[in-house]
Amino acid sequence: DAGVTQSPTHLIKTRGQQVTLRCSPKSGHDTVSWYQQALGQGPQFIFQYYEEEERQRGNFPDRFSGHQFPNYSSELNVNALLLGDSALYLCASSYGHQSFYQPQHFGDGTRLSIL
Amino acid sequence: AQKITQTQPGMFVQEKEAVTLDCTYDTSDPSYGLFWYKQPSSGEMIFLIYQGSYDQQNATEGRYSLNFQKARKSANLVISASQLGDSAMYFCAMREVTARQLTFGSGTQLTVLP
Repeated sequence: DAGVTQSPTHLIKTRGQQVTLRCSPKSGHDTVSWYQQALGQGPQFIFQYYEEEERQRGNFPDRFSGHQFPNYSSELNVNALLLGDSALYLCASSYGHQSFYQPQHFGDGTRLSIL
Repeated sequence: AQKITQTQPGMFVQEKEAVTLDCTYDTSDPSYGLFWYKQPSSGEMIFLIYQGSYDQQNATEGRYSLNFQKARKSANLVISASQLGDSAMYFCAMREVTARQLTFGSGTQLTVLP
């Protein structure tokens, strides 16, 4: 049973560039959430997708955008990269976007470095 | 205001001993879920244990148990018989019924000593 998979594992970009991160949810899951984790901190919620729509968004600028495909996989896009965007980006999947008791299962993350 | 507070940035425990990692939370929602995750240096967040706000009994999963004190708004993780592989960052998180996201604390770095 495949867990949550993310690609790429590592990425190096320069300021002003754009980046796309990808996530395939755990089998049977239909909801994908994205989190940003800066070094030494807990993850911060970016947004959640369900039925191909953004259902909730955290306190992130609209440089951060996403998409969910019919097979439930998802992409996170970040435009006009800033040095402060350097972080570990975690994708989490779950079943049922309104089930607060369902644990979210995380991938290994994509480590993004901005030069 | 901080919704999840983990006051122990770092903890040390001797192998085979038990350790308690503290977590307090703040919410006005009557329904919520509390989660603990383990994050090794590799980065993956591993789900450990869940406690619902209406659960009468403390959750247990193998060597992990959650000491849930609702009136004190505390949800401490207890790891029994610590192993070297338990060395990692541990995060407490909450999901309120009105929210879709997990809100995480700042984490506790646990080091198990041989």
